[in-house]
Amino acid sequence: GAGVSQTPSNKVTEKGKYVELRCDPISGHTALYWYRQSLGQGPEFLIYFQGTGAADDSGLPNDRFFAVRPEGSVSTLKIQRTERGDSAVYLCASSLSPRLAGGLKSEQFFGPGTRLTVL
Amino acid sequence: GNSVTQMEGPVTLSEEAFLTINCTYTATGYPSLFWYVQYPGEGLQLLLKATKADDKGSNKGFEATYRKETTSFHLEKGSVQVSDSAVYFCALSGSGGSNYKLTFGKGTLLTVNP
Repeated sequence: GAGVSQTPSNKVTEKGKYVELRCDPISGHTALYWYRQSLGQGPEFLIYFQGTGAADDSGLPNDRFFAVRPEGSVSTLKIQRTERGDSAVYLCASSLSPRLAGGLKSEQFFGPGTRLTVL
Repeated sequence: GNSVTQMEGPVTLSEEAFLTINCTYTATGYPSLFWYVQYPGEGLQLLLKATKADDKGSNKGFEATYRKETTSFHLEKGSVQVSDSAVYFCALSGSGGSNYKLTFGKGTLLTVNP
């Protein structure tokens, strides 16, 4: 079946603009995660959704970042007033609910990422 | 908080050479440990994992053993192939309520030459 998909694959924007990044998780996966990978670094956790609700948004760097998942499937990461420091690859992952997996940690499947460049 | 430190790259090997990529971690409780691989132009893929001390994860000829006494999870392969060229990330997920949250190392670029 289809894996996690992310659009666009590349996004170039100007400082101060608003951007939206989209993630389509694997069908049936109720958990969805966003990570950010800056150049030369490993991915860093941003936010975790269980269904429609953000169960943990502790990784969002500031209030310019916001994410939604209104129907419990597709998610959109929104960045307002972009800054050059926001340039990175934004990764989305999905998994089965750990609760459904009998409490076992459930593998996260990653999408190919969106490369955001803020000029 | 949790952290992962892995061997700085890049690493360049000849085909059939032995590979070790070191990884150590800091975490409270009993984390699960992972190695992810990112092939050129592709997304991160889980390579192997271990969920408790002394467990050995293995896949595609790669192995790593969860060593609690040395807080390490070194990746090894006895004979690398050109197709193993990729970036390798060591990661952990904490125990308890935030076990979904992955903490990654910086990644190690491996290039295998024929």
